[in-house]
Amino acid sequence: AQSVTQLDSQVPVFEEAPVELRCNYSSSVSVYLFWYVQYPNQGLQLLLKYLSGSTLVKGINGFEAEFNKSQTSFHLRKPSVHISDTAEYFCAVSDGTGGFKTIFGAGTRLFVKA
Amino acid sequence: GAGVSQSPSNKVTEKGKDVELRCDPISGHTALYWYRQSLGQGLEFLIYFQGNSAPDKSGLPSDRFSAERTGGSVSTLTIQRTQQEDSAVYLCASSLATGEKLFFGSGTQLSVL
Repeated sequence: AQSVTQLDSQVPVFEEAPVELRCNYSSSVSVYLFWYVQYPNQGLQLLLKYLSGSTLVKGINGFEAEFNKSQTSFHLRKPSVHISDTAEYFCAVSDGTGGFKTIFGAGTRLFVKA
Repeated sequence: GAGVSQSPSNKVTEKGKDVELRCDPISGHTALYWYRQSLGQGLEFLIYFQGNSAPDKSGLPSDRFSAERTGGSVSTLTIQRTQQEDSAVYLCASSLATGEKLFFGSGTQLSVL
């Protein structure tokens, strides 16, 4: 069965600094990969997704992620963060071993400081 | 509907009582999920409905939890004999097809006293 590991539970960073939120997954077959964001007191929304094709995926709000099959990773990056990026970020995987159900990681809380 | 609708938005119950949580997915979405989000925890997968296939119940934490989806649309999550550890936000999500993004409801905040 697929699983997702988000290596950092919290990431504090200063405004305008770059950030990387790490995600590793476990799956033996082709996967679909996602990053979702949950802003304070709001519902989850999709940031970006990888289904196939180019391994570098661009999403909303200047975020991007790179699919690395050999390292089974899908790290999320942004070159310069804003205060408004403070939120919880969830990595998710969907693959055929689980009937393509979507499984989420434990989440990473990004805290952007002025 | 315009989005995934969940009701009630808040539910306070006493330990040992049964509760029913409702989810109305986006029309035409074949996949429907229930997740549980506890304070400081991620999204715990509970159950997955895909079209007319048998649901994937592998995430249900105990036999006190059950869910059904009638007519491929509305779903109800039932928790029998609630315990304090059941307190959490229960999120429903739907998607148009496999591999597509999930649309989440606003959740039901369940508090078991």
